[in-house]
Formats: sequence, C-alpha cells, structure tokens
Amino acid sequence: QQQVKQSPQSLIVQKGGISIINCAYENTAFDYFPWYQQFPGKGPALLIAIRPDVSEKKEGRFTISFNKSAKQFSLHIMDSQPGDSATYFCAASYGQNFVFGPGTRLSVLP
Amino acid sequence: NAGVTQTPKFRILKIGQSMTLQCTQDMNHNYMYWYRQDPGMGLKLIYYSVGAGITDKGEVPNGYNVSRSTTEDFPLRLELAAPSQTSVYFCASSDMLKGQGREQYFGPGTRLTVT
Repeated sequence: QQQVKQSPQSLIVQKGGISIINCAYENTAFDYFPWYQQFPGKGPALLIAIRPDVSEKKEGRFTISFNKSAKQFSLHIMDSQPGDSATYFCAASYGQNFVFGPGTRLSVLP
Repeated sequence: NAGVTQTPKFRILKIGQSMTLQCTQDMNHNYMYWYRQDPGMGLKLIYYSVGAGITDKGEVPNGYNVSRSTTEDFPLRLELAAPSQTSVYFCASSDMLKGQGREQYFGPGTRLTVT
C-alpha cells in the first residue's frame, strides 16, 4: 500500500525528443505527487508537483499527467536536452509522509 | 540562505564504530527528515521531526537515533555501525504551515561507507 512503482529504470532519448516516466501508487490517501530531479553528487530538487484534483500540470517543458482512477501519474519532458540528463524520482505524499519511487536514470544524447 | 547543510560529505567507518551526521537548515522549517538512498533504490525515510522536541520513526529506523533540540538542527546518530548502513544519507526540511505544497528541500548528502 505504501509502495510507489516507477518505470522505466533507465531511459535514453535523443536531443529534442520526448521523455516519459511513469509511476503508479496504491494508497488512495496520497494527495500530493511531486517529481524530483537529482544530478550526480547532489541532493534531489523539486521539479514539479500536482494534486489529484487536476489531471495535468505544465511548467515549461515539464508536464505531469495524472489519472486518479488508474492511480497513475507520469512526467513528460518535451524537447529533451542533454542538461536534463539526471535521475528522476516520483513521490506520493499524505501529510508529511513521503514515499519515493526507485528512480529513473535519464540520458539525453546530443 | 544556505538552505540545508550536511556534514561531513564523506565518511568511512569501521564496523562497530559510532558517528553523528549533522544537518542544519536556516529556513525556519518546522519539518525535518532523514533519508537513506541505496543504489537503484528510492529514498527510504529513517526518521522525521515535526518540530523541536518531537521525533518519529520512518520506514527504516533500526540502527539509528535522532534528536531535535532546536528548529535548525536535526542530527542523525549511528550506533554500532554495520556494513548494511553503507549508503548516501540525505537530510531534508519542509514547511507545512504556509499551507501550500509540501516541497522538501534536500541537503547535498553524506556518503557513508562501513567496512
């Protein structure tokens, strides 16, 4: 119930392509779904987040799509750039309880 | 603001030794957390605190202890280090009182090796 599943484990995309990372959760008590970006040797940093009362949120090239009935959400990175190469974690939260997915290592080829 | 700072950046411990990982935040956040990150795994919550004097266990608390005597500091104590505690440790803070999202601000991490 507390688990957040994330796929794929790794992803290679050409520059300018679309990167898509998917997550799924079980616990319907979760009410906040952030995505974190982590560069090697650094701590995770919040990229974008969504609440379950909306189905999509867009910030620049980054979009979260949220499907409440399927208990799934995904991150889309449009026009992917080499600078986007990092590990991406989805998470689900209720209150101050955060559960993280295992991460997706994204490599964007120049 | 420095945000969340952690010391040390790296440490090698022998089995059975003890150490304290330091974490300080200067954002006056009421919530603080300790996570560990193992290769290919997500972040696992060790302990968290909702304010000075209040701490609670997370998913993987065994072998660790914490204290929160001030709003700013949240040290993590490892007693009798074991190889299974080899990991990267992240401290984070957040502020729920402002009523908006629950953004967690992470420190740069401490890479600990137990041999």
